Amino acid sequence: GAVVSQHPSWVICKSGTSVKIECRSLDFQATTMFWYRQFPKQSLMLMATSNEGSKATYEQGVEKDKFLINHASLTLSTLTVTSAHPEDSSFYICSASGAGGGNTEAFFGQGTRLTVV
Amino acid sequence: AQSVTQPDIHITVSEGASLELRCNYSYGATPYLFWYVQSPGQGLQLLLKYFSGDTLVQGIKGFEAEFKRSQSSFNLRKPSVHWSDAAEYFCAVGASGTSYGKLTFGQGTILTVHP
Repeated sequence: GAVVSQHPSWVICKSGTSVKIECRSLDFQATTMFWYRQFPKQSLMLMATSNEGSKATYEQGVEKDKFLINHASLTLSTLTVTSAHPEDSSFYICSASGAGGGNTEAFFGQGTRLTVV
Repeated sequence: AQSVTQPDIHITVSEGASLELRCNYSYGATPYLFWYVQSPGQGLQLLLKYFSGDTLVQGIKGFEAEFKRSQSSFNLRKPSVHWSDAAEYFCAVGASGTSYGKLTFGQGTILTVHP
């Protein structure tokens, strides 16, 4: 299957700082990327959908000014958690779908564990 | 809006025993259905998916699932579990007509395998 790489795998940051997470499709063009959040012992919740070159569409309850998503190219989307606080600590996972990836499923990155101290 | 329910939070089976993980969905039309597996601290790996056609779907690692429209179910099965199958399993539904990646996940079922 197609490969999606997420970086970093884990990050620790101080409260009030910003953190950027990258999601790359390595062998296909990802026309659409998705960002999910998974709290401990909970399921994945979709945060936003981003299409290359367009503004992201956020799910209800997700603050777009806090979670900045950029999808400037067909192989890269970034999620920036601005002014992070301890309650933002979570596991963030991206997925990508698009041409070359078969367009019948989205492929997931390995996730990023964010800890805000 | 669609929803997914996995009634079993935690299941324990012996190695070599059969396995069935339950998944019920709510959606007005024919859904796209998926089963994913997640090892601790890892991303998700797709086991199998159903879009249309044959309601019995074969996946990787010896897993299969059957779509039953009348019961709104998509249960995952494996005839003989291996210790390496211990992980968390997520059922997910996607709305037809939307991107295949916009998914609603169930709460997950943790599978423990005893030797």
